[in-house]
Amino acid sequence: EIVLTQSPATLSLPPGERAALSCRASQSVGTYLAWYQQRPGQAPRLLIYDASNRATGIPARFSGSGSGTDFTLSISSLEPEDFAVYYCQHRNNWPFSFGPGTKVDFK
Amino acid sequence: EVQLVESGGDLVQPGGSLRLSCAASGFTFSSSAMHWVRQAPGKGLEFVSAINSNGGSTYYIDSVKGRFTISRDNSKNTLFLQMGSLRTEDMAVYYCVRWNSYGLDYWGQGTLVTVSS
Repeated sequence: EIVLTQSPATLSLPPGERAALSCRASQSVGTYLAWYQQRPGQAPRLLIYDASNRATGIPARFSGSGSGTDFTLSISSLEPEDFAVYYCQHRNNWPFSFGPGTKVDFK
Repeated sequence: EVQLVESGGDLVQPGGSLRLSCAASGFTFSSSAMHWVRQAPGKGLEFVSAINSNGGSTYYIDSVKGRFTISRDNSKNTLFLQMGSLRTEDMAVYYCVRWNSYGLDYWGQGTLVTVSS
């Protein structure tokens, strides 16, 4: 089974700053990696699929990069609504899995 | 508008059973693979089970194999998760989610399963 690790566990930044979240896979997943945002009390929302493609309706400040085992989700300039937990997820083979999440909170 | 509405979550004793349902609307349900994803209180997300569009292929994580059964009724646009031999570690919010071949693009609001004596 492929294990995803995310770092840091918590990222404390003020609004307007750039955020970079890391996701590492225990073996190559090619570009079969997605990112999700989960705000408190809400269901997750798909942000990025296939490592670098923004999902429908996702603002351009969100971008994804990487391939193989190392991936990054970047938020160019944090807006108040971006303070949330972010999960990466692979679909290389079953069982699909999520990383443990990175919480982006307000500094 | 795509809607996924889960129901069936409840308080159940360890060893008990529960059946979750998910009513889908706003898209062609019979063409979509579907997943159940769960989230224990204060914890992260976990895939539980998946089913392809016609119900012919099903997938489970190891911890629920033999205890949970995923199924669907395409004539009623409904997804099910039959849960048996429930354990305290199964306690979570269970989300019904559409799989669009590259990601989980539509999520329900979730239904809470509490396993406690």
